[in-house]
Amino acid sequence: NAGVTQTPKFRILKIGQSMTLQCTQDMNHNYMYWYRQDPGMGLKLIYYSVGAGITDKGEVPNGYNVSRSTTEDFPLRLELAAPSQTSVYFCASRKGGGDANTIYFGEGSWLTVV
Amino acid sequence: QQQVKQSPQSLIVQKGGISIINCAYENTAFDYFPWYQQFPGKGPALLIAIRPDVSEKKEGRFTISFNKSAKQFSLHIMDSQPGDSATYFCAASIVGYQKVTFGTGTKLQVIP
Repeated sequence: NAGVTQTPKFRILKIGQSMTLQCTQDMNHNYMYWYRQDPGMGLKLIYYSVGAGITDKGEVPNGYNVSRSTTEDFPLRLELAAPSQTSVYFCASRKGGGDANTIYFGEGSWLTVV
Repeated sequence: QQQVKQSPQSLIVQKGGISIINCAYENTAFDYFPWYQQFPGKGPALLIAIRPDVSEKKEGRFTISFNKSAKQFSLHIMDSQPGDSATYFCAASIVGYQKVTFGTGTKLQVIP
């Protein structure tokens, strides 16, 4: 019963480097999300997807890209990392439709840009 | 109009006391109001949720009170325990709609 799995758990990047945060879910959920969490700022939506091949921007998309080639996977790409991208990143998923409103979160990826 | 305002930002309660966290929203189209609990180093997890057709929902020591006319809802934790120490997020969404709006979180510390 894996749920939402994110990798890596921790990563240190140098300014200007790029990397991909991996996310996979095994619940056959339609909706997937990427959030970032900064102290005292709550959860900010970066990108979301309502199904394979469909993605859309959230509140804070600049500096990030996503793709959704399968129902299960929703990787987040950071291009040209900046110190402002130091944060905790959460991938999440939701069945969607009707009463399926519960969001299931991964355990988070701690990213530091130096 | 999409904001959900949460207060307080942090809260210290003695063991056995009542913890109260409040949220207010603007968008009257919201019809699903969950609370998520997050322990350090973990992702948030659903704690309890309410629909606007009821004014209160209770699950064990956790109760959501909902005031539709005031556009406010709150989480009450009765007989608070040290194991309840966590960050709590309120949220609001429209059923069937893809986006969820989260509050800024409340860090609760229950001291023995």
